[in-house]
Amino acid sequence: DTGVSQNPRHKITKRGQNVTFRCDPISEHNRLYWYRQTLGQGPEFLTYFQNEAQLEKSRLLSDRFSAERPKGSFSTLEIQRTEQGDSAMYLCASSSRTSADTGELFFGEGSRLTVL
Amino acid sequence: QKEVEQDPGPLSVPEGAIVSLNCTYSNSAFQYFMWYRQYSRKGPELLMYTYSSGNKEDGRFTAQVDKSSKYISLFIRDSQPSDSATYLCAMSSHTGGFKTIFGAGTRLFVKA
Repeated sequence: DTGVSQNPRHKITKRGQNVTFRCDPISEHNRLYWYRQTLGQGPEFLTYFQNEAQLEKSRLLSDRFSAERPKGSFSTLEIQRTEQGDSAMYLCASSSRTSADTGELFFGEGSRLTVL
Repeated sequence: QKEVEQDPGPLSVPEGAIVSLNCTYSNSAFQYFMWYRQYSRKGPELLMYTYSSGNKEDGRFTAQVDKSSKYISLFIRDSQPSDSATYLCAMSSHTGGFKTIFGAGTRLFVKA
Protein backbone atom coordinates (compact mmCIF):
# COMPACT_ATOMS: atom_id res chain seq x y z
CA ASP A 1 0.00 0.00 0.00
CA THR A 2 1.63 3.18 -1.20
CA GLY A 3 -0.64 5.79 0.34
CA VAL A 4 -3.87 7.65 -0.24
CA SER A 5 -5.01 7.53 -3.85
CA GLN A 6 -7.33 10.07 -5.48
CA ASN A 7 -8.98 10.03 -8.89
CA PRO A 8 -9.26 11.81 -11.18
CA ARG A 9 -6.28 14.07 -10.60
CA HIS A 10 -7.78 16.85 -12.67
CA LYS A 11 -11.33 17.42 -13.84
CA ILE A 12 -12.48 20.21 -16.13
CA THR A 13 -16.22 20.66 -16.36
CA LYS A 14 -18.79 23.17 -17.45
CA ARG A 15 -20.90 25.05 -14.96
CA GLY A 16 -24.01 23.10 -14.04
CA GLN A 17 -22.53 19.65 -14.58
CA ASN A 18 -22.08 17.05 -11.85
CA VAL A 19 -18.67 15.70 -10.89
CA THR A 20 -17.55 12.86 -8.65
CA PHE A 21 -14.17 12.32 -7.02
CA ARG A 22 -12.95 9.07 -5.53
CA CYS A 23 -10.55 8.50 -2.65
CA ASP A 24 -8.92 5.23 -1.64
CA PRO A 25 -7.38 5.61 1.82
CA ILE A 26 -4.48 3.72 3.32
CA SER A 27 -5.93 0.27 3.87
CA GLU A 28 -5.64 0.02 7.65
CA HIS A 29 -6.92 3.57 8.25
CA ASN A 30 -10.50 3.74 9.50
CA ARG A 31 -10.82 7.53 9.37
CA LEU A 32 -11.22 9.49 6.17
CA TYR A 33 -11.43 13.23 5.62
CA TRP A 34 -12.22 15.55 2.74
CA TYR A 35 -10.69 19.00 2.58
CA ARG A 36 -10.89 21.76 -0.01
CA GLN A 37 -7.97 24.02 -0.85
CA THR A 38 -8.07 27.14 -2.98
CA LEU A 39 -5.07 29.04 -4.31
CA GLY A 40 -3.06 30.70 -1.56
CA GLN A 41 -5.09 29.14 1.22
CA GLY A 42 -4.65 26.21 3.53
CA PRO A 43 -6.90 23.15 3.38
CA GLU A 44 -10.41 23.73 4.74
CA PHE A 45 -12.26 20.88 6.41
CA LEU A 46 -15.33 19.58 4.58
CA THR A 47 -16.33 16.28 6.15
CA TYR A 48 -15.10 13.28 8.10
CA PHE A 49 -15.91 9.55 8.22
CA GLN A 50 -15.12 6.96 10.81
CA ASN A 51 -15.54 3.67 8.98
CA GLU A 52 -18.79 4.12 7.01
CA ALA A 53 -20.34 6.70 9.34
CA GLN A 54 -20.17 10.37 8.36
CA LEU A 55 -19.61 12.00 11.74
CA GLU A 56 -19.10 15.65 10.92
CA LYS A 57 -19.82 18.06 8.07
CA SER A 58 -18.63 21.61 7.68
CA ARG A 59 -20.93 24.52 6.91
CA LEU A 60 -18.86 24.75 3.71
CA LEU A 61 -20.54 21.56 2.50
CA SER A 62 -23.65 22.94 0.82
CA ASP A 63 -26.60 20.82 -0.28
CA ARG A 64 -24.93 20.37 -3.66
CA PHE A 65 -22.13 18.38 -2.05
CA SER A 66 -22.54 14.81 -0.91
CA ALA A 67 -19.95 12.37 0.37
CA GLU A 68 -20.23 8.67 0.95
CA ARG A 69 -18.04 5.91 2.24
CA PRO A 70 -19.85 2.63 1.60
CA LYS A 71 -18.48 -0.32 3.55
CA GLY A 72 -15.92 1.92 5.21
CA SER A 73 -13.37 1.59 2.45
CA PHE A 74 -13.14 4.07 -0.45
CA SER A 75 -15.05 7.34 -0.43
CA THR A 76 -16.69 9.48 -3.09
CA LEU A 77 -17.36 13.20 -3.09
CA GLU A 78 -20.02 14.35 -5.53
CA ILE A 79 -20.71 17.95 -6.46
CA GLN A 80 -23.98 18.59 -8.24
CA ARG A 81 -24.72 21.59 -10.46
CA THR A 82 -21.15 22.83 -10.26
CA GLU A 83 -20.46 26.56 -9.95
CA GLN A 84 -17.30 28.47 -10.79
CA GLY A 85 -16.73 28.99 -7.08
CA ASP A 86 -16.33 25.23 -6.70
CA SER A 87 -13.03 25.37 -8.58
CA ALA A 88 -10.45 24.16 -6.08
CA MET A 89 -8.23 21.26 -5.11
CA TYR A 90 -10.19 18.59 -3.27
CA LEU A 91 -7.93 16.73 -0.88
CA CYS A 92 -8.62 13.41 0.75
CA ALA A 93 -6.78 12.32 3.88
CA SER A 94 -6.88 9.28 6.09
CA SER A 95 -5.67 8.39 9.54
CA SER A 96 -5.55 5.49 11.92
CA ARG A 97 -7.15 5.61 15.35
CA THR A 98 -3.91 6.63 17.06
CA SER A 99 -2.79 9.20 14.51
CA ALA A 100 -6.30 10.64 14.27
CA ASP A 101 -6.37 11.38 17.99
CA THR A 102 -3.48 13.76 17.48
CA GLY A 103 -4.69 15.29 14.22
CA GLU A 104 -2.02 13.68 12.06
CA LEU A 105 -3.32 13.19 8.56
CA PHE A 106 -1.99 11.38 5.51
CA PHE A 107 -3.04 13.19 2.35
CA GLY A 108 -3.51 12.10 -1.21
CA GLU A 109 -2.27 14.23 -4.08
CA GLY A 110 -5.66 15.83 -4.55
CA SER A 111 -8.23 16.17 -7.32
CA ARG A 112 -8.17 19.53 -9.01
CA LEU A 113 -11.54 20.80 -10.22
CA THR A 114 -11.85 23.54 -12.82
CA VAL A 115 -15.36 24.78 -13.54
CA LEU A 116 -15.65 26.79 -16.74
CA GLN B 1 -10.80 36.34 12.85
CA LYS B 2 -9.41 33.02 11.66
CA GLU B 3 -8.57 30.40 14.25
CA VAL B 4 -5.06 30.06 12.83
CA GLU B 5 -3.10 32.96 11.34
CA GLN B 6 -0.06 32.46 9.14
CA ASP B 7 1.83 34.96 7.01
CA PRO B 8 1.50 33.73 3.40
CA GLY B 9 4.86 35.23 2.35
CA PRO B 10 6.46 34.60 -0.04
CA LEU B 11 9.70 34.25 1.87
CA SER B 12 12.88 34.16 -0.19
CA VAL B 13 16.23 33.20 1.37
CA PRO B 14 19.68 32.20 0.10
CA GLU B 15 20.82 28.61 0.38
CA GLY B 16 22.25 27.86 3.82
CA ALA B 17 20.15 30.46 5.64
CA ILE B 18 18.16 29.76 8.78
CA VAL B 19 14.45 30.03 8.07
CA SER B 20 11.85 30.92 10.69
CA LEU B 21 8.17 30.24 10.00
CA ASN B 22 5.45 31.19 12.45
CA CYS B 23 1.77 30.87 13.26
CA THR B 24 -0.52 32.31 15.88
CA TYR B 25 -3.82 30.85 16.97
CA SER B 26 -6.80 31.86 19.05
CA ASN B 27 -8.25 28.58 20.35
CA SER B 28 -6.60 27.70 23.65
CA ALA B 29 -8.01 24.16 23.41
CA PHE B 30 -5.52 23.19 20.71
CA GLN B 31 -3.15 20.57 22.05
CA TYR B 32 -1.55 19.05 18.96
CA PHE B 33 0.56 21.14 16.63
CA MET B 34 1.87 20.10 13.26
CA TRP B 35 3.80 21.41 10.31
CA TYR B 36 3.02 20.10 6.88
CA ARG B 37 5.06 20.69 3.73
CA GLN B 38 3.31 21.00 0.39
CA TYR B 39 5.05 21.04 -2.95
CA SER B 40 3.33 22.61 -5.92
CA ARG B 41 0.30 20.62 -7.12
CA LYS B 42 0.84 17.94 -4.48
CA GLY B 43 -0.95 17.04 -1.26
CA PRO B 44 0.49 18.17 2.08
CA GLU B 45 2.86 15.80 3.87
CA LEU B 46 3.47 15.77 7.61
CA LEU B 47 6.84 17.24 8.52
CA MET B 48 6.78 17.72 12.30
CA TYR B 49 4.34 16.99 15.10
CA THR B 50 4.42 18.36 18.66
CA TYR B 51 2.16 17.81 21.63
CA SER B 52 1.53 20.80 23.93
CA SER B 53 4.33 23.28 24.65
CA GLY B 54 8.01 22.67 24.06
CA ASN B 55 10.57 22.02 21.36
CA LYS B 56 11.10 19.13 19.02
CA GLU B 57 14.06 18.63 16.73
CA ASP B 58 14.36 16.39 13.68
CA GLY B 59 17.50 16.82 11.63
CA ARG B 60 17.56 20.35 10.22
CA PHE B 61 14.05 21.09 11.47
CA THR B 62 13.01 22.37 14.91
CA ALA B 63 9.41 22.95 15.97
CA GLN B 64 8.56 25.17 18.93
CA VAL B 65 5.24 25.63 20.67
CA ASP B 66 4.47 28.37 23.19
CA LYS B 67 0.93 27.77 24.39
CA SER B 68 1.00 30.74 26.76
CA SER B 69 1.48 33.05 23.78
CA LYS B 70 -0.53 30.89 21.36
CA TYR B 71 2.45 30.94 19.02
CA ILE B 72 4.22 28.16 17.14
CA SER B 73 7.37 28.22 15.04
CA LEU B 74 9.29 26.05 12.62
CA PHE B 75 13.00 26.62 12.12
CA ILE B 76 14.91 25.22 9.17
CA ARG B 77 18.70 25.23 9.47
CA ASP B 78 21.06 25.12 6.49
CA SER B 79 18.16 25.60 4.10
CA GLN B 80 18.39 23.88 0.72
CA PRO B 81 16.72 24.63 -2.63
CA SER B 82 14.79 21.38 -2.14
CA ASP B 83 13.15 22.99 0.89
CA SER B 84 11.32 25.38 -1.46
CA ALA B 85 7.65 24.63 -0.82
CA THR B 86 4.62 25.88 1.06
CA TYR B 87 4.72 25.24 4.79
CA LEU B 88 1.38 24.83 6.52
CA CYS B 89 0.95 24.98 10.26
CA ALA B 90 -1.91 22.88 11.59
CA MET B 91 -3.45 22.14 14.95
CA SER B 92 -6.15 20.10 16.59
CA SER B 93 -7.69 19.21 19.92
CA HIS B 94 -9.71 16.42 21.45
CA THR B 95 -12.55 18.88 21.97
CA GLY B 96 -12.47 20.16 18.40
CA GLY B 97 -14.17 17.19 16.87
CA PHE B 98 -11.93 15.29 14.57
CA LYS B 99 -10.83 18.05 12.28
CA THR B 100 -7.40 19.54 11.91
CA ILE B 101 -7.31 23.29 11.32
CA PHE B 102 -4.73 24.65 8.92
CA GLY B 103 -3.07 28.01 8.46
CA ALA B 104 -2.96 29.59 5.01
CA GLY B 105 0.60 28.40 4.43
CA THR B 106 3.86 30.29 3.87
CA ARG B 107 5.54 29.97 0.49
CA LEU B 108 9.28 29.54 0.89
CA PHE B 109 11.86 29.95 -1.87
CA VAL B 110 15.45 28.92 -1.19
CA LYS B 111 17.80 30.32 -3.83
CA ALA B 112 20.90 28.36 -4.85
